[in-house]
Amino acid sequence: DVVMTQSPLSLPVTLGQPASISCRSSQSLVYSDGNTYLNWFQQRPGQSPRRLIYKVSNRDSGVPDRFSGSGSGTDFTLKISRVEAEDVGVYYCMQGTHWPPGAFGPGTKVDIK
Amino acid sequence: EVQLVESGGGLIQPGGSLRLSCAASGFTVSSNYMSWVRQAPGKGLEWVSVIYSGGSTYYADSVKGRFTISRDNSKNTLYLQMNSLRAEDTAVYYCARAELDYWGQGTLVTVSS
Repeated sequence: DVVMTQSPLSLPVTLGQPASISCRSSQSLVYSDGNTYLNWFQQRPGQSPRRLIYKVSNRDSGVPDRFSGSGSGTDFTLKISRVEAEDVGVYYCMQGTHWPPGAFGPGTKVDIK
Repeated sequence: EVQLVESGGGLIQPGGSLRLSCAASGFTVSSNYMSWVRQAPGKGLEWVSVIYSGGSTYYADSVKGRFTISRDNSKNTLYLQMNSLRAEDTAVYYCARAELDYWGQGTLVTVSS
């Protein structure tokens, strides 16, 4: 099974400053159709998870453009260009290429310094 | 508008059974693949099970043989039958649509004597 890792696991950030989260998979996430099924989720405190990014770099509807995803193969990154207070929460990457089973990363907790 | 509403959680003794429901609106459950994802208290996300539109089902190793995913097309509802429950099954259980683009609010299952 594919194993997902993330770094850092904790990310204190200053409001208005950029933030970056790395995600790595134990196998390439390129599917036979040429797509790479790597998703990013945000879970604010006390809320359900919400998908932010799908297929590496596509923002879901309503997701601010300060969020961006990039990467290929086994290495992926979620960037927040300018962190706002509402961005506090835990961010998870998840692979959908070698599915099932689904595999989430351990999560990166973002909070304000 | 897409909505998912879980119910059926509660306190149950080890070895007991529980059935979770996920009522969907705004789309047709049987036309999508649907998943259950759980989150133990203070922990990360764990994929549990998926049912495809054709009816194929898959499970995480941790629940295989004990949990059964199903759906009722007439009620547009997804289910998770959980048998032989263990303390480590204690978690908030979320249902989610397809590529996890929509999630419910979750229902808490507590397995304890």
